[in-house]
Amino acid sequence: GDSVTQMEGPVTLSEEAFLTINCTYTATGYPSLFWYVQYPGEGLQLLLKATKADDKGSNKGFEATYRKETTSFHLEKGSVQVSDSAVYFCALNSGYSTLTFGKGTMLLVSP
Amino acid sequence: DSGVTQTPKHLITATGQRVTLRCSPRSGDLSVYWYQQSLDQGLQFLIQYYNGEERAKGNILERFSAQQFPDLHSELNLSSLELGDSALYFCASSVAGTTSSGNTIYFGEGSWLTVV
Repeated sequence: GDSVTQMEGPVTLSEEAFLTINCTYTATGYPSLFWYVQYPGEGLQLLLKATKADDKGSNKGFEATYRKETTSFHLEKGSVQVSDSAVYFCALNSGYSTLTFGKGTMLLVSP
Repeated sequence: DSGVTQTPKHLITATGQRVTLRCSPRSGDLSVYWYQQSLDQGLQFLIQYYNGEERAKGNILERFSAQQFPDLHSELNLSSLELGDSALYFCASSVAGTTSSGNTIYFGEGSWLTVV
């Protein structure tokens, strides 16, 4: 079945550091890939998405590229801010209407 | 603001009781999904409705049920509650009922259920 594997957190960074959160997947067919973010005490928000191989999703300085050859969708940001502290979820949907989520990676950014 | 509205935001109830969580999807969305988020299980898909009919079922317990009404709002009913049912329950919605070029699913802010 479909599955998503994310790097375990927490990821602790200083402000302005470079961020990478790894995400790999197993899926049938050609899934669409998503990153969702959950800020403390809030719901899930769609951060970015990519629907086919080599697509790059981007939003708010975050980027992720759909790599079919490595079945990966790593999230990156060049310079993180304290306000980026949150839990980040990688997710996919493939052939079904629902999302399969990774376990989430907590990011903590200190000033 | 995703446009998906959930009520109540917080709920505390006793074991053995029954509660109903309500969700209004984004305007124009026909699909409604319910997810459960707990510390040990992560985000688990429970059930999906599309235009009033059940479309997909995930890890939903028999004690739980859901429906989608003609006005497209949905309710998740949780009965014979146990301590382990304490979790954050998300409703989400999308336009499409199936995957199509990245059927984007938008989430509400969730309903926190605490069973004591």
